[in-house]
Amino acid sequence: NAGVTQTPKFQVLKTGQSMTLQCAQDMNHEYMSWYRQDPGMGLRLIHYSVGAGITDQGEVPNGYNVSRSTTEDFPLRLLSAAPSQTSVYFCASSYGHNSGNTIYFGEGSWLTVV
Amino acid sequence: AQTVTQSQPEMSVQEAETVTLSCTYDTSENNYYLFWYKQPPSRQMILVIRQEAYKQQNATENRFSVNFQKAAKSFSLKISDSQLGDTAMYFCAFMTAYSGAGSYQLTFGKGTKLSVIP
Repeated sequence: NAGVTQTPKFQVLKTGQSMTLQCAQDMNHEYMSWYRQDPGMGLRLIHYSVGAGITDQGEVPNGYNVSRSTTEDFPLRLLSAAPSQTSVYFCASSYGHNSGNTIYFGEGSWLTVV
Repeated sequence: AQTVTQSQPEMSVQEAETVTLSCTYDTSENNYYLFWYKQPPSRQMILVIRQEAYKQQNATENRFSVNFQKAAKSFSLKISDSQLGDTAMYFCAFMTAYSGAGSYQLTFGKGTKLSVIP
């Protein structure tokens, strides 16, 4: 199984540009989420989804948009990139039946905004 | 809101020795889950160990074990027989056990950078 797959792995953007980070999972997980990791910090939740058609905001949602049209995919859109969005982004997924289920992470996407 | 605190930004240990990483958390909930994740230089997040708050028995996974003190809200990770491959950032994380969307979200500490010295 591929697990959680993120693309691209590396990206450099200019301020004001938009882009989409792709995330796909092949484990039929209901729950998917996006986190960002900044230097000296743990991961912080940006947006999450508990199923197709359902999304909600996490701790740091400003400047990001998400949608969940299928169970497998959960793209993260940067509407107008800012240097403050330079970070490592992680997509994650888990089964939605019971809380405490293991959350599986993708390998991360390194984004630099100049 | 829950908070997770890791008070040791960096630690080092000699190969084959034992090291303990500290984690404290703050919550008003009675039922929850605690995790330790390992992040090697590749940046991949790898689950090391998981503890359910309603279980008094400390979780163990091979060389990794935890000391879970619910009353003290403490959740330390002990690594025995340290190996060079254990060199990584280690993150402590909290997840509520109550139903609803919040039950799938992790709250992380800032991490402890562990170096295993040959």
